[in-house]
Amino acid sequence: DGGITQSPKYLFRKEGQNVTLSCEQNLNHDAMYWYRQDPGQGLRLIYYSQIVNDFQKGDIAEGYSVSREKKESFPLTVTSAQKNPTAFYLCASSGLPIGHTEAFFGQGTRLTVV
Amino acid sequence: SQQGEEDPQALSIQEGENATMNCSYKTSINNLQWYRQNSGRGLVHLILIRSNEREKHSGRLRVTLDTSKKSSSLLITASRAADTASYFCAQMEYGNKLVFGAGTILRVKS
Repeated sequence: DGGITQSPKYLFRKEGQNVTLSCEQNLNHDAMYWYRQDPGQGLRLIYYSQIVNDFQKGDIAEGYSVSREKKESFPLTVTSAQKNPTAFYLCASSGLPIGHTEAFFGQGTRLTVV
Repeated sequence: SQQGEEDPQALSIQEGENATMNCSYKTSINNLQWYRQNSGRGLVHLILIRSNEREKHSGRLRVTLDTSKKSSSLLITASRAADTASYFCAQMEYGNKLVFGAGTILRVKS
């Protein structure tokens, strides 16, 4: 089945730790995105990528890092520099041009700092 | 930045009634999309309306676009309890960013 897969579904992080969230798609999409969603809020763009080995900062990139070494994979690392990382993280992918075709979303990773 | 602003923030209706949600945006657009999110899940695409379209239908959904007012509306007719979800508009912003509004929480009571 074609789709976009995020793992893990739940993740717990201790203070000062880096954690990496996985996002894989088999839709052959060029564009991939990471969003953060806080309770009762909309989606805020963290990073996005339109091509392998290239990515751009979104509106809240501080404290996060990404890589795009393969077309199908776009992992997000939440670093210790992110002061308030507890949130729901959503990965998405789409064809190009961005905004001209629908985006497909994963089921999300809920990150909690303990 | 959040390009789209949905209105109302929350809406509660009885099953069978129609639900209307609005989205306003700040800059000129090419296309506008609507998505749905069930609690704790990913978003699902509902409909895309292009800047040269004024109205589009998909089943019980009707989307309108008014580029002069920089606004769009999503109408769900004959609502069902299963329509309970959050609804978001999205569009491309300068720099090729796909940005979403804050969303409308819809509750359909049976």
